[in-house]
Amino acid sequence: DTGVSQDPRHKITKRGQNVTFRCDPISEHNRLYWYRQTLGQGPEFLTYFQNEAQLEKSRLLSDRFSAERPKGSFSTLEIQRTEQGDSAMYLCASSDPLLNQYEQYFGPGTRLTVT
Amino acid sequence: AQSVTQLDSHVSVSEGTPVLLRCNYSSSYSPSLFWYVQHPNKGLQLLLKYTSAATLVKGINGFEAEFKKSETSFHLTKPSAHMSDAAEYFCVVSDRDTGRRALTFGSGTRLQVQP
Repeated sequence: DTGVSQDPRHKITKRGQNVTFRCDPISEHNRLYWYRQTLGQGPEFLTYFQNEAQLEKSRLLSDRFSAERPKGSFSTLEIQRTEQGDSAMYLCASSDPLLNQYEQYFGPGTRLTVT
Repeated sequence: AQSVTQLDSHVSVSEGTPVLLRCNYSSSYSPSLFWYVQHPNKGLQLLLKYTSAATLVKGINGFEAEFKKSETSFHLTKPSAHMSDAAEYFCVVSDRDTGRRALTFGSGTRLQVQP
């Protein structure tokens, strides 16, 4: 297993367009998390799933954001009607609570630039 | 609510000298504390974690941190810096008692290592 993967690594879009990112967690990890990191800041929590259930959403996750994990494996994060303030690195992480419930493994991130 | 304050946004040391990155936390419950490192264009990597066992925690690459409840601190140290240690370091807290699994990151400390 090669760890958490994210696709695409970079995305440039025009304001008002919709974008979708994908995250593939480590196999067998049933928890999956999305974070957003803006320049010069630490990552901020957006949402997390246990299997296919979305258990928590941050207030940062506005109505334009939606995340899914339909089969409890990969997840998608969609941003509708993008705004320049959405420009950031979007990070995905996964964890296995049976192995170590406190440790999250992060992917390389998707860098979004909204022009 | 939980929060983390990293007291220095930038730290510069000479190769071979000690490293000290400072972190104070606030948590209503028993915290789990972590240090993550982020190298340019790479994913976040866990350096070490405290989850209520020994207060002095050893991590990878010679780093260690000491949990001091009375001072609400979790400072990261290394006896001798290497050039490869240059990166962004994040202090992170998670509340163990609430069952909430989201991580709260500090704003980061950029470590520069001079030859």
